[in-house]
Amino acid sequence: EAGVAQSPRYKIIEKRQSVAFWCNPISGHATLYWYQQILGQGPKLLIQFQNNGVVDDSQLPKDRFSAERLKGVDSTLKIQPAKLEDSAVYLCASNPRGTQYFGPGTRLTVL
Amino acid sequence: AQTVTQSQPEMSVQEAETVTLSCTYDTSESDYYLFWYKQPPSRQMILVIRQEAYKQQNATENRFSVNFQKAAKSFSLKISDSQLGDAAMYFCAGSENAGGTSYGKLTFGQGTILTVHP
Repeated sequence: EAGVAQSPRYKIIEKRQSVAFWCNPISGHATLYWYQQILGQGPKLLIQFQNNGVVDDSQLPKDRFSAERLKGVDSTLKIQPAKLEDSAVYLCASNPRGTQYFGPGTRLTVL
Repeated sequence: AQTVTQSQPEMSVQEAETVTLSCTYDTSESDYYLFWYKQPPSRQMILVIRQEAYKQQNATENRFSVNFQKAAKSFSLKISDSQLGDAAMYFCAGSENAGGTSYGKLTFGQGTILTVHP
């Protein structure tokens, strides 16, 4: 069974630029999560989808972050414009029930 | 809302020895999962072991086992016969039932860096 796929693996941008990350969950997993992990900390949820509907986006900085999950399968997370404090690893996870499986993450560096 | 606390920023163990990582949590829900995830420097978050709250029996996966003390809200991870490949950041995490078959976000602890000495 293929795992959670994410791309790109690394991205370097300058502040005020925009960036987008892509995630393809494990086939059949209805729930998809985006987490932000600052270096040395545990991941924190940005947004949770159930199929193509948003379940929880209370911690998403909506003035600059947006996410969508069209057709209830893959998802994109966008940052526009990026700030220095957005430098982090962005993790995507999916689950059928209870246990979340993570992708390899995208390391974003904002200069 | 669930909280998860790991009070050991770093731990070390000799190869082939046993080490225990500590975790405490708090939740008002009766239906929840607890997990230990491993994150090597490559940053892929790997599931080590999970425990359903309703199960009294402690989960075991090969060399990894947990001590789930529900009343004390404690969830420690024991690694037996430690190997060099066990070196990583270990996160304790919990997930509450958000209704029906849907589980909410994972709430992570601060992590424990495990070093394995040859």
